[in-house]
Amino acid sequence: EVQLLESGGDLVHPGGSLRLSCAASGFTFKNYDMSWVRQAPGKGLEWVSTIINSGGRTFYADSVKGRFTISRDNSKNTVYLQLNSLRAEDTAVYYCARSARPFGDSFDYWGQGTLVAVSS
Amino acid sequence: DIQMTQSPSILSASVGDRVTITCRASQNISTWLAWYQQKPGKVPKFLIYDVSSLQGGVPSRFSGSGSGTEFTLTISSLQPDDFATYYCQQYESYFCTFGQGTKLEIK
Repeated sequence: EVQLLESGGDLVHPGGSLRLSCAASGFTFKNYDMSWVRQAPGKGLEWVSTIINSGGRTFYADSVKGRFTISRDNSKNTVYLQLNSLRAEDTAVYYCARSARPFGDSFDYWGQGTLVAVSS
Repeated sequence: DIQMTQSPSILSASVGDRVTITCRASQNISTWLAWYQQKPGKVPKFLIYDVSSLQGGVPSRFSGSGSGTEFTLTISSLQPDDFATYYCQQYESYFCTFGQGTKLEIK
């Protein structure tokens, strides 16, 4: 059974940093691109970032480019999202999601999400 | 960036109704389109990919159609479990985008 388990969400001050983790199980992690998608309270889904299966390429939404960094450790079946220079508008539930196929695709499995709250 | 616009934003319907949600892309995305269902406080559920292919376990009352810039999600006969918010997603490239969502509520 595919499982994605996020952790690391917290309350942080504006300008602060946080690292989210997503531990994967139930599939061959190194074969799949992985992504982060967020959802602000009462709002819709927003794609944040994707990392390809090898970790060799990364992609970011304009809203987070230069502030967030996605990475992965295929030996630990884990994908990370480093969040720096956090702003109030980054407040959201952050979901880890698996891409169904390579080269940009839909997301067939999602984690339960982890809440990041940015407030003074 | 490719913008995705869903209509309507809110749809009121009754059990047994046939409903259609529209998703328009700001440029041609071929058939790189997916649909998700989300209930309050829950994780998005993957329904349809490549416009019309149902993910395993999704009831056959759900169907998708379209190509290029205009797409639809149809539920042929609404069931109580279907009242939720629906999102389309384009994945023409790694820089995917979601529609703003359509809330399907009970009339």
